Amino acid sequence: DAGVTQSPTHLIKTRGQQVTLRCSPISGHKSVSWYQQVLGQGPQFIFQYYEKEERGRGNFPDRFSARQFPNYSSELNVNALLLGDSALYLCASSLTGQINSPLHFGNGTRLTVT
Amino acid sequence: AQSVTQLGSHVSVSEGALVLLRCNYSSSVPPYLFWYVQYPNQGLQLLLKYTSAATLVKGINGFEAEFKKSETSFHLTKPSAHMSDAAEYFCAVSVSNNNNDMRFGAGTRLTVKP
Repeated sequence: DAGVTQSPTHLIKTRGQQVTLRCSPISGHKSVSWYQQVLGQGPQFIFQYYEKEERGRGNFPDRFSARQFPNYSSELNVNALLLGDSALYLCASSLTGQINSPLHFGNGTRLTVT
Repeated sequence: AQSVTQLGSHVSVSEGALVLLRCNYSSSVPPYLFWYVQYPNQGLQLLLKYTSAATLVKGINGFEAEFKKSETSFHLTKPSAHMSDAAEYFCAVSVSNNNNDMRFGAGTRLTVKP
């Protein structure tokens, strides 16, 4: 079975631009979470979606938004990009989004903002 | 709020030697604790998790961790290091039934010398 797939793998954007990152969960998984991993740090939680509803949001500005589609895939949008948004963006899926349902991570999208 | 501290950003061991990666947590309620491994240019993979069952948790690839409430610790060990264990290791904590508020440590980079 395919794992969590993210696209694109790398992206270079200019300050002020907007970006959309995509994630396809493992087949059968209904929950998708997004994390930001700045170089040299651990991942930070951005959003969780379950059955197309937002279940949780981390401490990120409103420039960050996300949605989940009927097929459970998800998009993360970031507007008005700042240099500090440069990071590895990780998507993780799980069956139910509950603590006993392990997170399965994709390989991430490396975003560079210049 | 819950948090974890990983002691030592870099750990170097010889092949065949004991691996010990340290993690201390802070939480006002009984936590769920996790160890993840990240290989270069990849997402995170779950090694093991503590969810209030047995305090000694066995994971994949020969790793195990012991939950010690008195020491607020959840250190990761492996009796004999392999070259393939070289990676970044992250400790994480959650206090809710959802996996959407997982807090990760800054990570420990493990190097294995031949």
